[in-house]
Amino acid sequence: QKEVEQNSGPLSVPEGAIASLNCTYSDRGSQSFFWYRQYSGKSPELIMSIYSNGDKEDGRFTAQLNKASQYVSLLIRDSQPSDSATYLCVLSPDSNYQLIWGAGTKLIIKP
Amino acid sequence: NAGVTQTPKFQVLKTGQSMTLQCAQDMNHNSMYWYRQDPGMGLRLIYYSASEGTTDKGEVPNGYNVSRLNKREFSLRLESAAPSQTSVYFCASSDAYEQYFGPGTRLTVT
Repeated sequence: QKEVEQNSGPLSVPEGAIASLNCTYSDRGSQSFFWYRQYSGKSPELIMSIYSNGDKEDGRFTAQLNKASQYVSLLIRDSQPSDSATYLCVLSPDSNYQLIWGAGTKLIIKP
Repeated sequence: NAGVTQTPKFQVLKTGQSMTLQCAQDMNHNSMYWYRQDPGMGLRLIYYSASEGTTDKGEVPNGYNVSRLNKREFSLRLESAAPSQTSVYFCASSDAYEQYFGPGTRLTVT
């Protein structure tokens, strides 16, 4: 069973601080990793993708991947109240575009 | 350009009733998906269609059927609804790894 594990939270972070979200996965063969954001009552939207070990930065967001340790993380710098949402860690175990979804971490940014 | 649309947005069914959830996309994507999302759980794939004319079971297909009517439309049918099918249903489409989602259907089965 391929699994993606996330702490459900909520993770509370002061406005302006760095929010750190973590995820571990069980399938060593997974090659593609994604972070989706889901606001309450809304549908998921892709915010970051990462395919190789190391860091990938996009604006205030940095995704980190360590395949040897089987973990993925998302850092949000200068957190804003609008970042309050559930963040879903997602991976693709093979090349047919099917995705395996974590249950998500609820992030709350406190003004 | 509407993206992915779903109807209805809300539905209440009695146990044993049937219904069809409709989904359409205008992005010319080949692949379409139906997920359900329950509290505390990740999205679970019910069925998917890799291309027009093909459909395949996902992780939780029991109690559901699908039809890929054409490249744009992918419907999900509940033949005999059960309380365990109370959930939020999302349709998505893609041509690669990024999946675009519809707004969802909140279904309650009493």
